[in-house]
Amino acid sequence: ETGVTQSPTHLIKTRGQQVTLRCSSQSGHNTVSWYQQALGQGPQFIFQYYREEENGRGNFPPRFSGLQFPNYSSELNVNALELDDSALYLCASSLHGQVETQYFGPGTRLLVL
Amino acid sequence: QQQVKQSPQSLIVQKGGISIINCAYENTAFDYFPWYQQFPGKGPALLIAIRPDVSEKKEGRFTISFNKSAKQFSLHIMDSQPGDSATYFCAASKDGNKLVFGAGTILRVKS
Repeated sequence: ETGVTQSPTHLIKTRGQQVTLRCSSQSGHNTVSWYQQALGQGPQFIFQYYREEENGRGNFPPRFSGLQFPNYSSELNVNALELDDSALYLCASSLHGQVETQYFGPGTRLLVL
Repeated sequence: QQQVKQSPQSLIVQKGGISIINCAYENTAFDYFPWYQQFPGKGPALLIAIRPDVSEKKEGRFTISFNKSAKQFSLHIMDSQPGDSATYFCAASKDGNKLVFGAGTILRVKS
């Protein structure tokens, strides 16, 4: 088991609602990356946070936003939920610029009805 | 644009056999190529990784073969066991940043 934890484990929302997912980094890691994994697909990079600022973003709309806190934990916020947002959301922590140190959490399973 | 293409989508291997999963990439700037193993309800776990300055890396029963000129790399699982049944993802990264994943291979090892 990695030291990366995520909450909640499962979540059900309806279309148009907003959701906040949380992630605690592995001890000593200063960078958090978020990925979306649709059913039967590989994870897709949403964005990365370092020093409490966004440090790279994938092909996701602005309704996907995030925060990183001084203790390096992070939140992923998704506004105006759409059915296609149903997925496993993975958080990964690492040392900055060292992707080989990246460890994934167990994920939050989001279902949008 | 799919930057990392993985095959096959699924694979059935007899216990004790060799499992082989292949990936091809497009971006020659990639400098890190990991393989991840994912069990149901879990996040991906790093299995083994390679840099483009070597052609092969072996860790226990797991081997990565890397062909820079062909822009391909593969995972070989020797003496496959039922406990190896999982989804495997190849990935690639450049400059220590985000990972670009393949679509995954579902491996089933029959006992």
